[in-house]
Amino acid sequence: DAKTTQPTSMDCAEGRAANLPCNHSTISGNEYVYWYRQIHSQGPQYIIHGLKNNETNEMASLIITEDRKSSTLILPHATLRDTAVYYCIVRENFGNEKLTFGTGTRLTIIP
Amino acid sequence: NAGVMQNPRHLVRRRGQEARLRCSPMKGHSHVYWYRQLPEEGLKFMVYLQKENIIDESGMPKERFSAEFPKEGPSILRIQQVVRGDSAAYFCASSPGQGVSEQYFGPGTRLTVT
Repeated sequence: DAKTTQPTSMDCAEGRAANLPCNHSTISGNEYVYWYRQIHSQGPQYIIHGLKNNETNEMASLIITEDRKSSTLILPHATLRDTAVYYCIVRENFGNEKLTFGTGTRLTIIP
Repeated sequence: NAGVMQNPRHLVRRRGQEARLRCSPMKGHSHVYWYRQLPEEGLKFMVYLQKENIIDESGMPKERFSAEFPKEGPSILRIQQVVRGDSAAYFCASSPGQGVSEQYFGPGTRLTVT
């Protein structure tokens, strides 16, 4: 799996959009970008994934650059419940291989 | 539609005892993964199983740890002769395994070895 680089921590004001960057400059053509989050000590929660097109679901939007070397997860209206560690992971989609978690970004939503 | 279920949620064992952690995947999911999170550390993959088969056990410690996913019943992660270093949160995840590859995680089992 390609490695990813994320900032260690970020703050965001409640109600504002939270933009979490991820660098994956060595990503290969058949690898997808996945985002998970872990709230406190709960089990990780799947957020979204994409290959090269931007994706949106009820939780977030994923913007992938044209060269696919970086991406941004956007939480449009952050709430206090969005405080968590966010993990950006790249992996192939055709199999069901393991997820390799890095250190992630600790996002704190400020009231 | 119930999510991934794990039990027990908390487990205390003395050094040398056995720990058995159970995972019931989401309905319709035939692929199970186990991950471990040591205190103040990240999540690490341990093992990937399909019904009655171990597909990838590259993250399993060589000794004392074993996993199974029988045809009927939950997946079991077994730790024999536990030591203090086994204290951690153990998470199970499942996926349908048919071209859909998101993994859905359970709430975890927190093992404390005294």
